[in-house]
Amino acid sequence: GNSVTQMEGPVTLSEEAFLTINCTYTATGYPSLFWYVQYPGEGLQLLLKATKADDKGSNKGFEATYRKETTSFHLEKGSVQVSDSAVYFCALFIGSGNTGKLIFGQGTTLQVKP
Amino acid sequence: KAGVTQTPRYLIKTRGQQVTLSCSPISGHRSVSWYQQTPGQGLQFLFEYFSETQRNKGNFPGRFSGRQFSNSRSEMNVSTLELGDSALYLCASSLGQGSDGELFFGEGSRLTVL
Repeated sequence: GNSVTQMEGPVTLSEEAFLTINCTYTATGYPSLFWYVQYPGEGLQLLLKATKADDKGSNKGFEATYRKETTSFHLEKGSVQVSDSAVYFCALFIGSGNTGKLIFGQGTTLQVKP
Repeated sequence: KAGVTQTPRYLIKTRGQQVTLSCSPISGHRSVSWYQQTPGQGLQFLFEYFSETQRNKGNFPGRFSGRQFSNSRSEMNVSTLELGDSALYLCASSLGQGSDGELFFGEGSRLTVL
């Protein structure tokens, strides 16, 4: 079946450190891949996406590249800030029309310390 | 532009009761999806509505139901509440059906079942 696996958290970093959150997926067909972020007390927000192999999604200094050969979509940021502290969800969307739905990973909590 | 609005934000119920949650999508969005978020199971898809019709459904028992009105507002209902139904219920809207995974989430309704 279709599924998403993320590295377990929490991930604790100091400000300005480099961030990597690993995400791998299993899917039949060719999914679109997403990273959503959930700040404390809020709903999820779309952070970035990639719709086909080798696409790179980027936003707010975060990047992720759709790697079909390794079925991965790792999230990276060169220099994290305290305000990046949140839960990050990797997700895939497969299907279209009335058969499509988002499948989320378990989420990875990021804590950035000053 | 107003975001997705969910009411109530917090509620406490006892086992056996029923609950109704409401979601107002972003103006112009015609699709509404519901997700259950728990620490153990993460984010799980409940159902999606488009043009007042349920288009997609997750693996939840029949106690979980929903509907969508002509103005795209949606409600979900859980009957005969169980302790395990305690969760954050997230509503998300999108322009079209599924919108290829780009969803706009509300802040959620946190349900506690005692």
